[in-house]
Amino acid sequence: NAGVTQTPKFQVLKTGQSMTLQCAQDMNHNSMYWYRQDPGMGLRLIYYSASEGTTDKGEVPNGYNVSRLNKREFSLRLESAAPSQTSVYFCASTNLDRPGTDTQYFGPGTRLTVL
Amino acid sequence: GNSVTQMEGPVTLSEEAFLTINCTYTATGYPSLFWYVQYPGEGLQLLLKATKADDKGSNKGFEATYRKETTSFHLEKGSVQVSDSAVYFCALRGGYSTLTFGKGTMLLVSP
Repeated sequence: NAGVTQTPKFQVLKTGQSMTLQCAQDMNHNSMYWYRQDPGMGLRLIYYSASEGTTDKGEVPNGYNVSRLNKREFSLRLESAAPSQTSVYFCASTNLDRPGTDTQYFGPGTRLTVL
Repeated sequence: GNSVTQMEGPVTLSEEAFLTINCTYTATGYPSLFWYVQYPGEGLQLLLKATKADDKGSNKGFEATYRKETTSFHLEKGSVQVSDSAVYFCALRGGYSTLTFGKGTMLLVSP
């Protein structure tokens, strides 16, 4: 059981470039989430997918798009990267179907620098 | 909207000292509350949680009690170790299990 995996681990982009961050989970969870972590800001929710086929905006969605490819995979795309998107990005998953067991499990993160 | 406020760090302690990290929240109703820990270079791991008022979550010697009267969920440990050095995040559960986090508190424990 790998849990939640993210690729790549590190990435450097130039302003205006695009890229997709990949996330996959093997725990048969139905819900997946993308957060960004910035110094002194904690983690903030970018987008989430409560179930396969649905996606919704979180607190800081501007500049991002997401795709819930299937139950296992949830990708985050930056169409035109900006220096303000320099951050560490975390993917997480949980099972909404089981009340009281909806602990989120986090991936190891992707450290993104936009020059 | 939901919000979480936790004490700013870093918190610097000697080994075997008592730890308290304060956390208060603002939310509608009584959401589940969590403490997550992040070790250097890693993702977040659940440390403990409480799902209703007066519940006490505990794990690895850490404890936190859900106090609805004071809307608080303070983290405590009686005797910290060097290996407890990490960043600790308080969080509350919102709709669709989304999490609202505090800004994190770095704990540094010296031998």
